[in-house]
Amino acid sequence: DTEVTQTPKHLVMGMTNKKSLKCEQHMGHRAMYWYKQKAKKPPELMFVYSYEKLSINESVPSRFSPECPNSSLLNLHLHALQPEDSALYLCASSQEGPNSRTDTQYFGPGTRLTVL
Amino acid sequence: DQQVKQNSPSLSVQEGRISILNCDYTNSMFDYFLWYKKYPAEGPTFLISISSIKDKNEDGRFTVFLNKSAKHLSLHIVPSQPGDSAVYFCAASGRAGGTSYGKLTFGQGTILTVHP
Repeated sequence: DTEVTQTPKHLVMGMTNKKSLKCEQHMGHRAMYWYKQKAKKPPELMFVYSYEKLSINESVPSRFSPECPNSSLLNLHLHALQPEDSALYLCASSQEGPNSRTDTQYFGPGTRLTVL
Repeated sequence: DQQVKQNSPSLSVQEGRISILNCDYTNSMFDYFLWYKKYPAEGPTFLISISSIKDKNEDGRFTVFLNKSAKHLSLHIVPSQPGDSAVYFCAASGRAGGTSYGKLTFGQGTILTVHP
């Protein structure tokens, strides 16, 4: 089973709203990731958690705040977003994380976010 | 600077024939390569990977070839089926540019259409 689940599937929010995206995996993976994908572009890495600790932050604006409550869950808290933040937000997980040379990332279906 | 490039935006193939998708990379520190398939409004699905210590990896209808001297990899799908129609991304990881293995760098994607 290589399933990563994400909720909600779609989200529309205003620029003053606070919302959260959720991601869950039950594969026993120790690393979890957030990516952002704009239309007709490849996914771009935002954050990596390894063993529940933030391992990589790709200079993402502070209006995006990740949280890893436990090894199976990953949240992305959103606050004061801009319309240009509208995108598909993808969560992924992998067995080992950034210290493993041949670690494969498995992606969830994504949350389609629209900021009005 | 685009470190992973898929120079063909699209490819059209007849059902039953071979599909060959190409990918080039510029950074010699990349040493693990993956192919993902993506349907619209879904997350990328892992297909196959190859480590830099190999030059070929095969899994059913999918074979990936790696030419390190040319910094080139290709994905062969044979026989191609209409259900293979999707966007295909190649991705690379490695200790490139001071990053750790957790960061996947994606190509721009190639749209494969398999005609019945």
